[in-house]
Amino acid sequence: ELKVEQNPLFLSMQEGKNYTIYCNYSTTSDRLYWYRQDPGKSLESLFVLLSNGAVKQEGRLMASLDTKARLSTLHITAAVHDLSATYFCAVVRLVTQGGSEKLVFGKGTKLTVNP
Amino acid sequence: DGGITQSPKYLFRKEGQNVTLSCEQNLNHDAMYWYRQDPGQGLRLIYYSQIVNDFQKGDIAEGYSVSREKKESFPLTVTSAQKNPTAFYLCASSMSRGAYQPQHFGDGTRLSIL
Repeated sequence: ELKVEQNPLFLSMQEGKNYTIYCNYSTTSDRLYWYRQDPGKSLESLFVLLSNGAVKQEGRLMASLDTKARLSTLHITAAVHDLSATYFCAVVRLVTQGGSEKLVFGKGTKLTVNP
Repeated sequence: DGGITQSPKYLFRKEGQNVTLSCEQNLNHDAMYWYRQDPGQGLRLIYYSQIVNDFQKGDIAEGYSVSREKKESFPLTVTSAQKNPTAFYLCASSMSRGAYQPQHFGDGTRLSIL
């Protein structure tokens, strides 16, 4: 059974600081997604990581995937208040014959960036 | 604008009552999904559908039912058999067949017990 663990679950940081969120998973998968969720809102796709060594960057966020270590990281550079949200990683557990992806989500990391 | 529309935004269920959550998409996606989110938890898959008139149970299907009569629509019924229905329900859709695209989510329905 695929298990996905994120840490930390809560992260409070000062503006301008750097930090990394970790996503570990228990069985082989070569596809992983990062999502952002604002309170009471939907999930917004941030990154799609499709292979070992994949690195994607958007603004102050950078995500990477190491399929051998079963680890993805989401690195925050020079945090700003607008990045405050909950961040989820989701690992592809199964791709069906029809092409649907069954995802397993981590519990999320609630990030608070303080002025 | 293309997207996923969930309604209602808030829903209250009485004891013994079935309620239906609506999910409509105009993205021309083949696959649709229903997730449940509890506070402090990740999303858990309830049901998914790859094509019209076909759907499969996810990890927590007990007490729920779905239908997929049209490509655009994937309603979820929370039956009286679901003893703990209070949660945030999210509908998602995606292209399939190797598209490697993320699932797109609706704005969710928050269900509470009266």
